[in-house]
Amino acid sequence: DQQVKQNSPSLSVQEGRISILNCDYTNSMFDYFLWYKKYPAEGPTFLISISSIKDKNEDGRFTVFLNKSAKHLSLHIVPSQPGDSAVYFCAARDGSNYQLIWGAGTKLIIKP
Amino acid sequence: DAGVIQSPRHEVTEMGQEVTLRCKPISGHDYLFWYRQTMMRGLELLIYFNNNVPIDDSGMPEDRFSAKMPNASFSTLKIQPSEPRDSAVYFCASSLVGTTEQYFGPGTRLTVT
Repeated sequence: DQQVKQNSPSLSVQEGRISILNCDYTNSMFDYFLWYKKYPAEGPTFLISISSIKDKNEDGRFTVFLNKSAKHLSLHIVPSQPGDSAVYFCAARDGSNYQLIWGAGTKLIIKP
Repeated sequence: DAGVIQSPRHEVTEMGQEVTLRCKPISGHDYLFWYRQTMMRGLELLIYFNNNVPIDDSGMPEDRFSAKMPNASFSTLKIQPSEPRDSAVYFCASSLVGTTEQYFGPGTRLTVT
């Protein structure tokens, strides 16, 4: 039973263009959503988060959008840079126990 | 700040041997998490501690797995006896009470032959 789904295993985007990574969830008890970036042989690194009471959060080139009615969130990266090539994980915090539930990850490849 | 420190970075052992993974969380963090990442199951939470006390170990796969946190700056995850299916990357993470972000260590890649 996957409560957090990232349906695209990989995504290829041209440098300078917008990258959009998607995440769907099923549990209405999730109160925070987070995006992490992971390079090979390193641990995941926190990127940006959003509370369930908001619909948008922006930090530099990164913006996360939350659509609660659709139980969907997305991460936009504009403009995409070669250093953005990594695996991106979506995670949701269960408000009942504060545990993070993780998606399977999407590998983003930025083409020069 | 040094971040979360894990050792060893790589461990290769034979089936049946005991394996001990180590973690030093970020100083001042109240929570410590142990995760396992595999291709099949992705990133899964094994156990977490709050102020050195285990809170939820429901993710620990079997009795062969045990974790301790004797003080605020050190935790171990032990597998005894190890089996080939335990091969994975094991991450330790820590966080501060009242925050949502968890900070991960570089992981230990365990290979059991």
